[in-house]
Amino acid sequence: SQTIHQWPATLVQPVGSPLSLECTVEGTSNPNLYWYRQAAGRGLQLLFYSVGIGQISSEVPQNLSASRPQDRQFILSSKKLLLSDSGFYLCAWSVTGVEYNEQFFGPGTRLTVL
Amino acid sequence: GQNIDQPTEMTATEGAIVQINCTYQTSGFNGLFWYQQHAGEAPTFLSYNVLDGLEEKGRFSSFLSRSKGYSYLLLKELQMKDSASYLCAVLDSNYQLIWGAGTKLIIKP
Repeated sequence: SQTIHQWPATLVQPVGSPLSLECTVEGTSNPNLYWYRQAAGRGLQLLFYSVGIGQISSEVPQNLSASRPQDRQFILSSKKLLLSDSGFYLCAWSVTGVEYNEQFFGPGTRLTVL
Repeated sequence: GQNIDQPTEMTATEGAIVQINCTYQTSGFNGLFWYQQHAGEAPTFLSYNVLDGLEEKGRFSSFLSRSKGYSYLLLKELQMKDSASYLCAVLDSNYQLIWGAGTKLIIKP
């Protein structure tokens, strides 16, 4: 069966500090991978998605970046965090090449920037 | 632009029935999803509709009308554990999911 891991679960960082969130998927090959951010009481905002190693599409211009160094690893980074980067970060995966694009979510990382 | 509308919050009584509506305006349509999200947790899949009509799955049912750009999620025999946010999401012409802001459902005894 497939599982998706995210870490850390919670993170408190000062403004201007760097960020690295990691997501890994097990039990599937060549998945589509996604990074979302959810502000308190709001819907999901798609930040990045990837259809393969080294292929990253950015949906929202901002101070975040993403990388996919391995097939089942997706990393979200920032060089300098802003207060507005606080939120609940969710990684998700879906099966490549099918029209039924059900997405499966990781447990999330709650980031607080102070 | 693309837009998905859901009520922000709804309240219902344990054992009752509640209907959560979702209207959408998107560039193309390739299906509509409903997800459940408990506070502080990740969303989990509830249902998928791509054709008009009602899909029933236990206590939960989802309805779709593509001509009206409208869907609803029907929850029967409400239980306290159904207290959660319910997210509507539409798969657009590029097969990207467009998400609504979610409806927070509060269940009272």
